[in-house]
Amino acid sequence: EAGVAQSPRYKIIEKRQSVAFWCNPISGHATLYWYQQILGQGPKLLIQFQNNGVVDDSQLPKDRFSAERLKGVDSTLKIQPAKLEDSAVYLCASSLGSQNNSPLHFGNGTRLTVT
Amino acid sequence: GNSVTQMEGPVTLSEEAFLTINCTYTATGYPSLFWYVQYPGEGLQLLLKATKADDKGSNKGFEATYRKETTSFHLEKGSVQVSDSAVYFCALVTQGGSEKLVFGKGMKLTVNP
Repeated sequence: EAGVAQSPRYKIIEKRQSVAFWCNPISGHATLYWYQQILGQGPKLLIQFQNNGVVDDSQLPKDRFSAERLKGVDSTLKIQPAKLEDSAVYLCASSLGSQNNSPLHFGNGTRLTVT
Repeated sequence: GNSVTQMEGPVTLSEEAFLTINCTYTATGYPSLFWYVQYPGEGLQLLLKATKADDKGSNKGFEATYRKETTSFHLEKGSVQVSDSAVYFCALVTQGGSEKLVFGKGMKLTVNP
């Protein structure tokens, strides 16, 4: 089966600019996650969708980050405006159902550098 | 809150050496425990998991046992190969609630021939 697709693979922007990342989950996976992985740290959950509804966005900096999952399939994550501390790898993952019952499948990530 | 603590890296080993990566956790309730691996240039992938105390997860020669009494889930492999070079993440999910997957910081392993 095709894996989780993410684009772009790399992005370099200046602070205060905007950026968007795209994710296409595995077909049929109802749950989609966006994680932020800062260098030297483990991934941190930003937002979790169940179909097109938000399950958990408690760690999403809502003043500058937004995400949507229209039609319950593809998802986009946007940062506007970006700060230097947003430099990280942004990982998208999907699963059939809950994390205890079905494993997460991760994409290769988008590496963002903010200068 | 829930958290995972892993031993710091990076670690370099010779081929066929024994590997242990320590992982301890703090959690409310009864978590499920996971090891994820990230090979160079690839996405994170599940290596093994254990869902209750005394369970042993195993895959690709790696093993980890869920120890409730020591709140640990140490990863071991008896004889590492060059192809095991990767970053290893310990993680947990608490059952019930939001089931948020919480990761440790990861440990980079390099295996030399």
